[in-house]
Amino acid sequence: ILNVEQSPQSLHVQEGDSTNFTCSFPSSNFYALHWYRWETAKSPEALFVMTLNGDEKKKGRISATLNTKEGYSYLYIKGSQPEDSATYLCAFKSNFGNEKLTFGTGTRLTIIP
Amino acid sequence: DAGITQSPRHKVTETGTPVTLRCHQTENHRYMYWYRQDPGHGLRLIHYSYGVKDTDKGEVSDGYSVSRSKTEDFLLTLESATSSQTSVYFCAISESGGANVLTFGAGSRLTVL
Repeated sequence: ILNVEQSPQSLHVQEGDSTNFTCSFPSSNFYALHWYRWETAKSPEALFVMTLNGDEKKKGRISATLNTKEGYSYLYIKGSQPEDSATYLCAFKSNFGNEKLTFGTGTRLTIIP
Repeated sequence: DAGITQSPRHKVTETGTPVTLRCHQTENHRYMYWYRQDPGHGLRLIHYSYGVKDTDKGEVSDGYSVSRSKTEDFLLTLESATSSQTSVYFCAISESGGANVLTFGAGSRLTVL
């Protein structure tokens, strides 16, 4: 079983502040790293898929970076808004020759108005 | 949840009864996945399919079987449901496996009494 860890588990941020959290994954046999946003009572929605070391992706106020050599990815949210409140999941795919995607347990973000 | 539907959305059953959950897609995607979501565990892969009649086990496959007789349908069967299988089950689809985003269904909440 591959170990994918996210920190912190939960986070409260004042509206307007910027924040970031971490996904750690195995540094060997890397193939891809996904980020998803999961609002309560909904389904996870894809934010990014990153495949290359040094990748940076951006979608509005949300961006992500990838370091495959040390096995971590950061997700950044700039100028947090109440609608950013959600659980953010990362998922790791190895190059073992199968299509299994292993999810972390998520970072639950709450934006305080 | 455009293009992917799960049924039933809610089910209550008794220990020892068989249960089948259905995932139907209209996207013609090759890959289909079944995950379960439990507090403290995030999303855990049960089984996935990489084509018609082609399936592979995930990390929590014991007690579950799957079938994919046509591209659009992926069935998850609990042969004899147990209380530990009370969970929310999510189906997901992907065009080309782990390097592409997963699109999730709305989830099926199963309660085993």
